Order: sequence, then C-alpha cells, then structure tokens
Amino acid sequence: DSGVTQTPKHLITATGQRVTLRCSPRSGDLSVYWYQQSLDQGLQFLIQYYNGEERAKGNILERFSAQQFPDLHSELNLSSLELGDSALYFCASSASTRTGKGGGYGYTFGSGTRLTVV
Amino acid sequence: AQSVTQPDIHITVSEGASLELRCNYSYGATPYLFWYVQSPGQGLQLLLKYFSGDTLVQGIKGFEAEFKRSQSSFNLRKPSVHWSDAAEYFCAVGARSGGYQKVTFGTGTKLQVIP
Repeated sequence: DSGVTQTPKHLITATGQRVTLRCSPRSGDLSVYWYQQSLDQGLQFLIQYYNGEERAKGNILERFSAQQFPDLHSELNLSSLELGDSALYFCASSASTRTGKGGGYGYTFGSGTRLTVV
Repeated sequence: AQSVTQPDIHITVSEGASLELRCNYSYGATPYLFWYVQSPGQGLQLLLKYFSGDTLVQGIKGFEAEFKRSQSSFNLRKPSVHWSDAAEYFCAVGARSGGYQKVTFGTGTKLQVIP
C-alpha cells in the first residue's frame, strides 16, 4: 500500500457518459497530480493541484476537469467520454512545498483506475 | 523545458545477468532524477532518486543508478536480475517550474527476464 488511494479500481461506461475518479493523497502530502496512461500515448501528465489550488496543466482535454478539496482529496471528472479515453488514470502525491522545495522526494503513485469506454 | 529519453523500448535479459537501462535527460541546471518501476496493473513505485551529493545512488530491490553530468545520463543498473524484476521502468526528471516541481517521465523500458 503506497498510501495513495484511488477509487474505483475499474470503471466501465458508455460513450457520452460522465465519470468521476477519486484520489486520496498520502497523509501529509499537499500536492496531487493526475496522469493518464495508455498504450499509444504513454504516461501523460494531466493536471496538478497544491493545497486546493490548480498549479500546472498538462495535456488535459477540455472535457476533463479536476479539483482538490479542503481535506486534500482530489477528483478527476471526465465527461462526454469517447472510446479513446479508455486508459489507466493515476493519481500521485508529493510532499512538495509552495517554494518548490521537497519535490526531490518524488511522487507516490496510487494503483490507478482502469477506465474502459464502450 | 526538461525532457527525458529512454532509448530502449524493450530489453530482454537472462535471470542472473546484469542489467543496465539507459536514460538521458535535457535540463539546463542540475535536475532531480528518478527511476520508477511499474508492474503490470500496478502504479509506479519509486526505486531511487538523485538531487545532490554522491552521483552513485542506491535504491530499493538492489538497484543503483549513476548520475553523469557530462553525458546527461542517469542509467539504472542491477548486478544480477531476478525474474521478479520483469516490469516497466520509467526514468523521470524533475525541475522547478513557476516555483513548483514539475516531473517529466520518459516513455519507459519494458524488461523481460528469461530463465
């Protein structure tokens, strides 16, 4: 157990639907990162939150959104789903601070949510 | 912006043989460097990291990596591979971006271990 909890582990849904993926970071970590992993795209950074605020955006589609709540858990919302959105979605957390120090601790990853769009 | 290159997509080694996985990075300053391992259906697990000091770093599971600034490399090594090491390995480089850490992952190297 890495300390980062992701739910659900598996999700099967139809095209056009909306889903919410949840992540609880490791205790004490303020930063949460979302990644998408697919066979053809590899590991793609989606978005980062620090203590409730969005801090960096990567290759996140407009149909996707995320937020981090006061208790530091995060949710990734995927809407108008397409077949190509089928992938593993990982959440990671880190002890990085606002000054950027502490990022050298590395990320702790959850075990992911496997999303299948049919 | 930083970048990471893992030139080998697949590597096959015999159990008991030595292993070296290559990683080259691009970054203007001294970066944070990481190696992660991902077993099938699992998340990424941190093997080791470097950000200062001794350029040879030891990690978990008997792995080590050496930072070579002149070659912009951070290759992962293990003297004797076990069948359980079969997995995908990701090199990553971290750098400050707007006051926050940004980590960029390589495309990964899949390791197959044959008896």
